[in-house]
Amino acid sequence: SQELEQSPQSLIVQEGKNLTINCTSSKTLYGLYWYKQKYGEGLIFLMMLQKGGEEKSHEKITAKLDEKKQQSSLHITASQPSHAGIYLCGAPLTGANNLFFGTGTRLTVIP
Amino acid sequence: EADIYQTPRYLVIGTGKKITLECSQTMGHDKMYWYQQDPGMELHLIHYSYGVNSTEKGDLSSESTVSRIRTEHFPLTLESARPSHTSQYLCASSEGRAIGYTFGSGTRLTVV
Repeated sequence: SQELEQSPQSLIVQEGKNLTINCTSSKTLYGLYWYKQKYGEGLIFLMMLQKGGEEKSHEKITAKLDEKKQQSSLHITASQPSHAGIYLCGAPLTGANNLFFGTGTRLTVIP
Repeated sequence: EADIYQTPRYLVIGTGKKITLECSQTMGHDKMYWYQQDPGMELHLIHYSYGVNSTEKGDLSSESTVSRIRTEHFPLTLESARPSHTSQYLCASSEGRAIGYTFGSGTRLTVV
């Protein structure tokens, strides 16, 4: 969806390195979801951010929501091969509950 | 562990055939969705349902149809498959906005 742009589109990092993925919306964000997808699989819910300035962490993954910038970032600390996959952000950009999804970021972690 | 199931996982079918992709969930969610995923990565909503006997078309035009006769079941049908229908189809359900979607493992469809 062009309403949600992710950057970078792909990322290759050495194991142990930190990385950040960004998701920028062209519309007001009323909440944002981060998902991870292994190749050929369904999406796995990572975390949801509801309020501006909110920050959540799960294991080595931290996500933040900046409502003013209409942007969210996903930060992985000390990346591992298990972090490899496609990361997608999703947001309800209309009044409905339906999620629009970002353009995706393909992460490769080299051992 | 998954509470939402899609079958088949992979399907190769000839042009012109009728196919139904199955999606079932055991969580009692009212809302269910079908997404089509590009070979790239983007997901596009093609159908959704907010409950039994309620179905709507999504943002991406699709020649498929859906039905919702039971809460747990949301099948997608293509009356006449074409090569342009080749894609990954993902089914999801949710309880509401406060909770993220739960996705099935997807069906990878190839029409030859």
